[in-house]
Amino acid sequence: EIVLTQSPDTLSLSPGERATLSCRASQSFSNTFLAWYQQKPGQAPRLLIFGASSRATGVPDRFSGSGSGTDFTLTISRLEPEDFAVYYCQQYGSSPWTFGQGTKVEIK
Amino acid sequence: QVQLQESGPGLVKPSQTLSLTCTVSGDSISSRDYYWSWIRQPPGKGLELIGYISYTGNTYYIPSLKSRVTISVETSKIQFSLNLSSVTAADTAVYFCGRVRSGYEWGVVDYWGQGILVTVSS
Repeated sequence: EIVLTQSPDTLSLSPGERATLSCRASQSFSNTFLAWYQQKPGQAPRLLIFGASSRATGVPDRFSGSGSGTDFTLTISRLEPEDFAVYYCQQYGSSPWTFGQGTKVEIK
Repeated sequence: QVQLQESGPGLVKPSQTLSLTCTVSGDSISSRDYYWSWIRQPPGKGLELIGYISYTGNTYYIPSLKSRVTISVETSKIQFSLNLSSVTAADTAVYFCGRVRSGYEWGVVDYWGQGILVTVSS
């Protein structure tokens, strides 16, 4: 089973700042089969990015994904108030699909 | 607009079976383009795939839960269900149902239900 480790656990930033979230896999997996999800308290996760860098429908272009192999990054170019949430990465290149433990982006 | 909604008891006694249903609207469970999954999130923790079912009825369960899990499609074809037997407190979690893309994007969960908290306690 591939273990995904996200860092940092918590990111304290102000609106307008840039957020860089990391997701590292314990081993490489097929292609760039990595997704990112956003979850707000009491809500279901929302798909942001798939294929490591493709934005899902309706996702603002301030969200971007990159990476390959074992190292992936989610970047939020300028944080908006609604972006403060927990972000999870997920790999779907190797069975079973697994999720990272999450990075909380909080208001500084 | 695709919507998924979980339903079932919010409290289950230890050793009993947890049974949940996911009702799908705006799409068909019979569609070849998607799989249908269950994912859970223990309080304060991350997400864990439980398993999924295809439109043909083929299933996959994660190894750690395989002996206790059954996912099936209801005859209505607008619902699929989760049964988890012999539950313990470790099974306390918010349970989500989700639609999974097939094809090259197989594994991407593009729609989720709101989730239902199931507590295992006597």
